[in-house]
Amino acid sequence: DQQVKQNSPSLSVQEGRISILNCDYTNSMFDYFLWYKKYPAEGPTFLISISSIKDKNEDGRFTVFLNKSAKHLSLHIVPSQPGDSAVYFCAASARETSGSRLTFGEGTQLTVNP
Amino acid sequence: KAGVTQTPRYLIKTRGQQVTLSCSPISGHRSVSWYQQTPGQGLQFLFEYFSETQRNKGNFPGRFSGRQFSNSRSEMNVSTLELGDSALYLCASSLVGMRTDTQYFGPGTRLTVL
Repeated sequence: DQQVKQNSPSLSVQEGRISILNCDYTNSMFDYFLWYKKYPAEGPTFLISISSIKDKNEDGRFTVFLNKSAKHLSLHIVPSQPGDSAVYFCAASARETSGSRLTFGEGTQLTVNP
Repeated sequence: KAGVTQTPRYLIKTRGQQVTLSCSPISGHRSVSWYQQTPGQGLQFLFEYFSETQRNKGNFPGRFSGRQFSNSRSEMNVSTLELGDSALYLCASSLVGMRTDTQYFGPGTRLTVL
């Protein structure tokens, strides 16, 4: 049972345009969400997070939007750069969890073309 | 500060064997989590250790086990290997494993079971 789903395995955008990566979740106990980026042969690196008490969080070129009623979040990258080409994972943490357990989506491969 | 290190980086085993993977967290970090990444499955949570105690466990069979030492270094062991255990095994460390602590991932150990 995939509680966090990223329905698009891949996304291709032009340099300078907006990249929008989407993520859906089913567990209503999830209240903290994160995005990680992964380059080949490296471990995932933390990008940005959002708590369920907010609907938007920005950090430079990266903005995460949370729609709790739709159980949907998205990551916007503006403007996209070739160095952003990587696999992006959405992750969630449930409020009853003690500790650092995360539930991840399957990942979306973003390719930014020069 | 040195990042999370994992050894070995690559491993080839045959069915029925057992394997031990090692993870050294960032200095000062006391929580270590392990994840399995397989194609199309994202990262699946295996377990989390904090202060030498297993705090959380994912839905994996008992063949998967782990431990943490007093210096926070962690090992995971897989006994009676199966072909389906072929995966990238990632460990992540965080300060105390609070849900909002940033988790820092190592580069992973690529296990191939023949």
